[in-house]
Amino acid sequence: NAGVTQTPKFRVLKTGQSMTLLCAQDMNHEYMYWYRQDPGMGLRLIHYSVGEGTTAKGEVPDGYNVSRLKKQNFLLGLESAAPSQTSVYFCASSLREFHGELFFGEGSRLTVL
Amino acid sequence: AQKVTQAQTEISVVEKEDVTLDCVYETRDTTYYLFWYKQPPSGELVFLIRRNSFDEQNEISGRYSWNFQKSTSSFNFTITASQVVDSAVYFCALSPSWGNSGGSNYKLTFGKGTLLTVNP
Repeated sequence: NAGVTQTPKFRVLKTGQSMTLLCAQDMNHEYMYWYRQDPGMGLRLIHYSVGEGTTAKGEVPDGYNVSRLKKQNFLLGLESAAPSQTSVYFCASSLREFHGELFFGEGSRLTVL
Repeated sequence: AQKVTQAQTEISVVEKEDVTLDCVYETRDTTYYLFWYKQPPSGELVFLIRRNSFDEQNEISGRYSWNFQKSTSSFNFTITASQVVDSAVYFCALSPSWGNSGGSNYKLTFGKGTLLTVNP
């Protein structure tokens, strides 16, 4: 049982480059989320989705886009990466009824030079 | 607006000591959920507990216990007889209950975390 899988685990980008982080879950969870974790800032919600084909903005959505074309996948895109987006990104999922009990992926460390 | 404050940035203890991690929250919701998550050095966050605001009973799970006090808006976490494997960052979090969230406008607010180091 893989749970929540994020790819890639590590990535280095140059300013202005684009990339997509992929999150896949095999637990049939309705809700999926993208968080970023920065030193001293805790976890901040970027975007989330409450079901296939739906997305919503979190606390810090600027500079990111997301898509949820399939229930099991949630993609996070950076169209033009900036150094401020250097962070560790976590994907998570949950059942609708237990929307606070999140299952997290292992994280993706992104560095923007 | 929701807010979670973990005033202790770092705590260091010696193995077998008891340690309490503090969590204070703010919310205007009448019903809500409180959570604790653990992030070990490997990086992956692990869910530990969820508490409904209706239920103020303390909970114990092995060496872990949680003290929820609505009167002081606190949800503290105690580890008894700490072990080196308890070393991690611990996050407290808050969310509105399903009804208050409207079913779709959901948000889980995390505190900034407390780094616990248990030394042998």
